[in-house]
Amino acid sequence: AQSVTQPDIHITVSEGASLELRCNYSYGATPYLFWYVQSPGQGLQLLLKYFSGDTLVQGIKGFEAEFKRSQSSFNLRKPSVHWSDAAEYFCAVGATGFQKLVFGTGTRLLVSP
Amino acid sequence: DGGITQSPKYLFRKEGQNVTLSCEQNLNHDAMYWYRQDPGQGLRLIYYSQIVNDFQKGDIAEGYSVSREKKESFPLTVTSAQKNPTAFYLCASSTMEAPGGYGYTFGSGTRLTVV
Repeated sequence: AQSVTQPDIHITVSEGASLELRCNYSYGATPYLFWYVQSPGQGLQLLLKYFSGDTLVQGIKGFEAEFKRSQSSFNLRKPSVHWSDAAEYFCAVGATGFQKLVFGTGTRLLVSP
Repeated sequence: DGGITQSPKYLFRKEGQNVTLSCEQNLNHDAMYWYRQDPGQGLRLIYYSQIVNDFQKGDIAEGYSVSREKKESFPLTVTSAQKNPTAFYLCASSTMEAPGGYGYTFGSGTRLTVV
């Protein structure tokens, strides 16, 4: 069965600084990977997804993620963080022939002035 | 615009009461899901359904029940058997055409509080 680990529970970044949120997955075949963002009291919004092809994936709100098979990672990045990016971020993995996603426990991003 | 509507946004339950959370989608998605979210615990799957009149238990189904009489609707009932129901509940939907359904679409959630 697939699994996802987000090793950082909280991360604080200064506004304007770069951001990288870590996601490691466990799955024997090619995974289908997703990043979601959740603002307080809201549902989750899909930021980006990786199915195949180019390992660098562009998403909404200026985010990107890179799939690295050798490291079983799918880290989320943003070159310059804005105060409005403060939220909780979830990584998820899907498997071939199976629609259920497995979610990580989330990373809460705090943005300092 | 297509999307998922959850109602109500806030719900209060007395001890021993059953309450029902509504989830409706107009995305023509086949699959629908209910998650429970508690601080620091991420998302935990309660029930999911991939077709009308059929549903499967997730990881924490005890104390919950669902129905799927229409493709668009997947209501969740929190029964009195659920001993700690205070949480944020999220409904989601997806296609069945790809792993992870090309990504789920989520509703805006219902916050349930026991009073």
